[in-house]
Amino acid sequence: GDSVTQMEGPVTLSEEAFLTINCTYTATGYPSLFWYVQYPGEGLQLLLKATKADDKGSNKGFEATYRKETTSFHLEKGSVQVSDSAVYFCALSDDYKLSFGAGTTVTVRA
Amino acid sequence: DAGITQSPRHKVTETGTPVTLRCHQTENHRYMYWYRQDPGHGLRLIHYSYGVKDTDKGEVSDGYSVSRSKTEDFLLTLESATSSQTSVYFCAISPGQGKDEQFFGPGTRLTVL
Repeated sequence: GDSVTQMEGPVTLSEEAFLTINCTYTATGYPSLFWYVQYPGEGLQLLLKATKADDKGSNKGFEATYRKETTSFHLEKGSVQVSDSAVYFCALSDDYKLSFGAGTTVTVRA
Repeated sequence: DAGITQSPRHKVTETGTPVTLRCHQTENHRYMYWYRQDPGHGLRLIHYSYGVKDTDKGEVSDGYSVSRSKTEDFLLTLESATSSQTSVYFCAISPGQGKDEQFFGPGTRLTVL
């Protein structure tokens, strides 16, 4: 079945550092790919998405490119802020359901 | 923000008691979902609904039942709560256009003693 594997955390960075969170997937079809973010005590918010190969999703300085050849959707941000501290989830949808990675906790220190 | 509310937001109950969690949406979306979130597991799908009175099981459905009598409400019931059902429960909705994103509610923290 469909599955998502993302790098384990926690990840701790200094402000203005470069962030990358690796995500790879297994799917039988051609899924849509998503990154969700969860701030402490809140629900999940959609951060960005890509619906086909070579699409780049971007939002709030974050980017991820749908790479079919490597079945990957790595999340990147060039300069993180303390406010980016959160849990990040990679997910895919190949039908009406989402499959999630385990989540990566990111802490940004001032 | 998508109009999704969950109630209650927090609940503490004892083993063996029934518990019902409610999800309410104002978006008129066709699909509704219940997930549980546990450390190291991400979110796992419990049940979902694709219309009024139309529901199906997810990957961790044992011990849970659902009902959807109106488009806007999706109920999750634990018939006899166990300590292994201590978790944070999230409702989500989707318009149902295929491989859509889902929009999540604020969550319910359930503790079973």
